[in-house]
Amino acid sequence: ETGVTQTPRHLVMGMTNKKSLKCEQHLGHNAMYWYKQSAKKPLELMFVYSLEERVENNSVPSRFSPECPNSSHLFLHLHTLQPEDSALYLCASSQVAGQDSNQPQHFGDGTRLSIL
Amino acid sequence: AQSVAQPEDQVNVAEGNPLTVKCTYSVSGNPYLFWYVQYPNRGLQFLLKYITGDNLVKGSYGFEAEFNKSQTSFHLKKPSALVSDSALYFCAVRDRTGGFKTIFGAGTRLFVKA
Repeated sequence: ETGVTQTPRHLVMGMTNKKSLKCEQHLGHNAMYWYKQSAKKPLELMFVYSLEERVENNSVPSRFSPECPNSSHLFLHLHTLQPEDSALYLCASSQVAGQDSNQPQHFGDGTRLSIL
Repeated sequence: AQSVAQPEDQVNVAEGNPLTVKCTYSVSGNPYLFWYVQYPNRGLQFLLKYITGDNLVKGSYGFEAEFNKSQTSFHLKKPSALVSDSALYFCAVRDRTGGFKTIFGAGTRLFVKA
């Protein structure tokens, strides 16, 4: 299996539930990203991990908690979400050398999250 | 503040006609520039990028993009559109010295009519 795989593809949860989104990349990349995509809005970068260390955290509410146990796996743990958190959550990976990289990001197909 | 603008929410073009999807940016220095495409129920796919050199960059599926430094633009073009090109297109920029962050535009939906 190649590329970036996200599971589940769809998730419906209540505001009090706890769930996790999973991302796995088979490209040998050393950086992984979580994005939020809402209708008619630019992609919002949530978190970046480089070499399993978090390097970006863009003022994301604490109800979203990332985890990167190794360079191939990335999780987004969800707890007590709000209706406005309903969106498509995209995972991406890329190869970076320090902080200067012209390599494109490779995206998974996303998890469509609906909060009841 | 760094930003990317895609001034058109939607572009309509007839099959076989040339297409242009516009992008302008405001980023310090000489950024890397990218175009991505998103088909329904899929993630973004990389089309092409500009690093340095020739202002006309060729990419996947017959797409190309023209970099204009003075106008800070990076417009996506294709000489002859296909119905299968209908999708959502994103312009993105990355500051060469700004860390890991890539800034995406809001996207332009392209409709190609048969």
